[in-house]
Amino acid sequence: GAVVSQHPSWVICKSGTSVKIECRSLDFQATTMFWYRQFPKQSLMLMATSNEGSKATYEQGVEKDKFLINHASLTLSTLTVTSAHPEDSSFYICSARDRQGTGYQPQHFGDGTRLSIL
Amino acid sequence: AQRVTQPEKLLSVFKGAPVELKCNYSYSGSPELFWYVQYSRQRLQLLLRHISRESIKGFTADLNKGETSFHLKKPFAQEEDSAMYYCALGNNNDMRFGAGTRLTVKP
Repeated sequence: GAVVSQHPSWVICKSGTSVKIECRSLDFQATTMFWYRQFPKQSLMLMATSNEGSKATYEQGVEKDKFLINHASLTLSTLTVTSAHPEDSSFYICSARDRQGTGYQPQHFGDGTRLSIL
Repeated sequence: AQRVTQPEKLLSVFKGAPVELKCNYSYSGSPELFWYVQYSRQRLQLLLRHISRESIKGFTADLNKGETSFHLKKPFAQEEDSAMYYCALGNNNDMRFGAGTRLTVKP
């Protein structure tokens, strides 16, 4: 159980285009979904936290107009990288936290999306 | 502020040797701590959490509030344990990850 599906797994596009990444919790309802960025050989950097039905909370230094997050349902969150540029090339990972259970529920991760901007 | 520190970026041991991956945290409240593992070309997976007090794949981790540590241990490392390990601290609606330790188990 607790499967998170992330799509697409890899995308290459031209500079200036917008790219949407989807994150779905397949067999559970996610109270909260998280978006991370990972640079090569580095740890995960939290970009934003999104709660279903409310605005995402962005970490300091992350441009909310650049990285649009929508969390319209308990099973789906999307990250749109708007007007992407080469410096946005990175590995983006989403995770979701189950709304069931007591205590702090661990996050379950998607496979990640490798974004390459030419 | 909450912070997770993994002092070793790289750790290399021989098969059958004991292994300990260090994790220290700073947090003013009651922490919930986790270890995640990422095998080559796979997603990040939950390995264990401190409240479960269980052993997964031979790994254990004990929360030491006095030393603010949550070190991950295994008495006899296996080659298939080679991976990236992340210590994480959960709080309310947030989770912070350490920088990660790459464990290599040599034959």
